[in-house]
Amino acid sequence: DAGVTQSPTHLIKTRGQQVTLRCSPISGHKSVSWYQQVLGQGPQFIFQYYEKEERGRGNFPDRFSARQFPNYSSELNVNALLLGDSALYLCASSLKVEDTQYFGPGTRLTVL
Amino acid sequence: QKEVEQNSGPLSVPEGAIASLNCTYSDRVSQSFFWYRQYSGKSPELIMSIYSNGDKEDGRFTAQLNKASQYVSLLIRDSQPSDSATYLCAVNDEDTGNQFYFGTGTSLTVIP
Repeated sequence: DAGVTQSPTHLIKTRGQQVTLRCSPISGHKSVSWYQQVLGQGPQFIFQYYEKEERGRGNFPDRFSARQFPNYSSELNVNALLLGDSALYLCASSLKVEDTQYFGPGTRLTVL
Repeated sequence: QKEVEQNSGPLSVPEGAIASLNCTYSDRVSQSFFWYRQYSGKSPELIMSIYSNGDKEDGRFTAQLNKASQYVSLLIRDSQPSDSATYLCAVNDEDTGNQFYFGTGTSLTVIP
């Protein structure tokens, strides 16, 4: 079975630009969560979606937004990029909101 | 603010020894606990989950949970060089919609 997939793998943007990251969950999983991981830190929760509805939001500015589609895939959008947004962005899927989360390979975002 | 604390290490053990990784958490309500392994430049991969007080064994790995002490640990028996990675402790917070809180991780090096 295919695991969680994310695209793109790497991305380089400049300050002020906008970026969209994509995630496809494990087949049958209806919940998707997004995390930001900066070097040397653990993943920080950004959003969780279940059945296309936002179920949780972490302490991130409104520049960060996300959505989940009817096929349970998800997009994370970040506007007005800052240098501090450079990080590994991880998507995790689970059967339900409270279940074990399985991570995708991540998208490495570099903001110059 | 929920907190998950781990010793950042680095922790070094000789091949064949037992590696002991510790994690404490601040929220007494937390019910689900997870250990993830993360190799450098890769995404976290699940090692095991634990929900009840006591020990849970899976191969060379044993997770131990003490909710009264707000403490969860991971023992790795017969450590192998391939176990060298960062180990992340995660706690599921049902109060905030099942948001996962991660520690900063403990870096483990197994010396051949």
